Amino acid sequence: NAGVTQTPKFQVLKTGQSMTLQCAQDMNHNSMYWYRQDPGMGLRLIYYSASEGTTDKGEVPNGYNVSRLNKREFSLRLESAAPSQTSVYFCASILDRGQNEQFFGPGTRLTVL
Amino acid sequence: AQSVTQLGSHVSVSEGALVLLRCNYSSSVPPYLFWYVQYPNQGLQLLLKYTSAATLVKGINGFEAEFKKSETSFHLTKPSAHMSDAAEYFCAVSDLPGGYQKVTFGTGTKLQVIP
Repeated sequence: NAGVTQTPKFQVLKTGQSMTLQCAQDMNHNSMYWYRQDPGMGLRLIYYSASEGTTDKGEVPNGYNVSRLNKREFSLRLESAAPSQTSVYFCASILDRGQNEQFFGPGTRLTVL
Repeated sequence: AQSVTQLGSHVSVSEGALVLLRCNYSSSVPPYLFWYVQYPNQGLQLLLKYTSAATLVKGINGFEAEFKKSETSFHLTKPSAHMSDAAEYFCAVSDLPGGYQKVTFGTGTKLQVIP
């Protein structure tokens, strides 16, 4: 099993450009998440998907959109990138039985100039 | 609403010394608690978790944590630090016992191990 995979690993954008971060998991997990990690702020939830076909906003959703394409894939889109979106983005998934831990991808390091 | 407070954004210990990373939580229902570790340029991986089975939880790499309800704490300890323990550690809480689970993370503690 590959676990949770993310592409790309690194990306540099100019202000106003758009891009999609891809995430896939092969563990048959129901719930998937997108976080951003900034120094001193821990992980902040952007969006989550409790199951295929459903998505909900997290703590910091502004400037982002998501798609739960199927049970395996959950993508994050920046329609018009801003310097404030410079961050490391992590995708995670969970079997959602309450006591189970989240499994994380390796992250995407995004810089917006 | 649930929350997590990690005391100390940076902790330095000497190799071989005790490691103590502090975590206090707030939850309206009995919580599920987790410690994750993040090595440089990697994602988070689970160290250990508390799910109400036992208050003293043992994890990987010699780490353990004790759930203290009266103190709303879940501090992480390791008797003897190793150079390879240098990383960032995150405490997390989830207070939904079933169905969809939403997790709240602390702001992290960077552990430096001095030779």
